Amino acid sequence: AQTVTQSQPEMSVQEAETVTLSCTYDTSESDYYLFWYKQPPSRQMILVIRQEAYKQQNATENRFSVNFQKAAKSFSLKISDSQLGDAAMYFCAYLNMDSNYQLIWGAGTKLIIKP
Amino acid sequence: ETGVTQTPRHLVMGMTNKKSLKCEQHLGHNAMYWYKQSAKKPLELMFVYSLEERVENNSVPSRFSPECPNSSHLFLHLHTLQPEDSALYLCASSQEQGLAGYNEQFFGPGTRLTVL
Repeated sequence: AQTVTQSQPEMSVQEAETVTLSCTYDTSESDYYLFWYKQPPSRQMILVIRQEAYKQQNATENRFSVNFQKAAKSFSLKISDSQLGDAAMYFCAYLNMDSNYQLIWGAGTKLIIKP
Repeated sequence: ETGVTQTPRHLVMGMTNKKSLKCEQHLGHNAMYWYKQSAKKPLELMFVYSLEERVENNSVPSRFSPECPNSSHLFLHLHTLQPEDSALYLCASSQEQGLAGYNEQFFGPGTRLTVL
């Protein structure tokens, strides 16, 4: 069975600095998707960034980028120029190519931004 | 209204009460989901409806009863709950894919449920 592990329950970063959140996963599949979701204190979960496993190029969305290491089964999220609005829970999630529904989630990392 | 809405936002109920959670999506999606979110645990998928048919039921106790009357509405009926059922219940929706592939799930703000 697939699993997703986020080893950092909480991280803090100074405003304007860069922070990296780690995520590792376990799967025997070769084709899959990986996601980072953000859940601010208002609780609405939103998608930050996604990565298709067959793409070698790391996904980037403005200040958010990933470091996807397929062989190591690692999918870290880098947030550059951290802003106060980045404070939230961040969840890593995995989706099999042959499953439309079953997102496998990590337990989350709470990101604190220090002004 | 846009996106995915959930009502009520907060609910406190006794173990003998019957209540319902409501979810509505305004995105034209045809798949809807119920998740349970407990502190410091991964999200637990409870139920999935695709085209108004239940396609996933992840061993959820029968005291939780879902209902999907149409593709825009999803309910979770609650009865004789236990204190350990206290959690944030999230609804999500996505577009059904004809073939396996990426389908972004859009989430509602959740209902914070407390069972006394």
